[in-house]
Amino acid sequence: QQQVKQSPQSLIVQKGGISIINCAYENTAFDYFPWYQQFPGKGPALLIAIRPDVSEKKEGRFTISFNKSAKQFSLHIMDSQPGDSATYFCAASSDAGNMLTFGGGTRLMVKP
Amino acid sequence: DGGITQSPKYLFRKEGQNVTLSCEQNLNHDAMYWYRQDPGQGLRLIYYSQIVNDFQKGDIAEGYSVSREKKESFPLTVTSAQKNPTAFYLCASSILGNDEQYFGPGTRLTVT
Repeated sequence: QQQVKQSPQSLIVQKGGISIINCAYENTAFDYFPWYQQFPGKGPALLIAIRPDVSEKKEGRFTISFNKSAKQFSLHIMDSQPGDSATYFCAASSDAGNMLTFGGGTRLMVKP
Repeated sequence: DGGITQSPKYLFRKEGQNVTLSCEQNLNHDAMYWYRQDPGQGLRLIYYSQIVNDFQKGDIAEGYSVSREKKESFPLTVTSAQKNPTAFYLCASSILGNDEQYFGPGTRLTVT
């Protein structure tokens, strides 16, 4: 039972372009939505996170957009760089104890 | 340097053997987690522990066992009952009640 669906599975973007990754969730109890970045052979690292009380959060080139009514959230990477090439995971958790449910991941490649 | 260490980075075992993966953290976090990552898939929760001497099954606990005798340590044993043990295993920790999880570098287990 996949409670968080992530798309696309892979994405190729030219340097300087915008990368957009989408996630949809089913559980309305989810109230924390992080995005993790993972480089090959490494553990995931928290990139940015949002809670449902805001519709958008921006940190540098990374922005999360959140649509509570549609139960969707997305990651936008502005001015994408080759160093952004990695796998990105969305996740969600509810108040009931820190358990994160992960999306399937998106492998991003930014071409120079 | 505070963080999570996992050892070894690569582990090879013959089918039918139990193997134990190490996870140590010096972040003084109460909660610790084990995830399994397969190619093209998101992270799936195996076990988690919120306090010493207590742990709970995650979504895919069958064929795995854990212990939590010390706050800093949460070893995972992959038993011979696990049908498909070859995977990338990730350990994480968090402050209890805080959603943000910090991940270790992972152990890649290959069973032949």
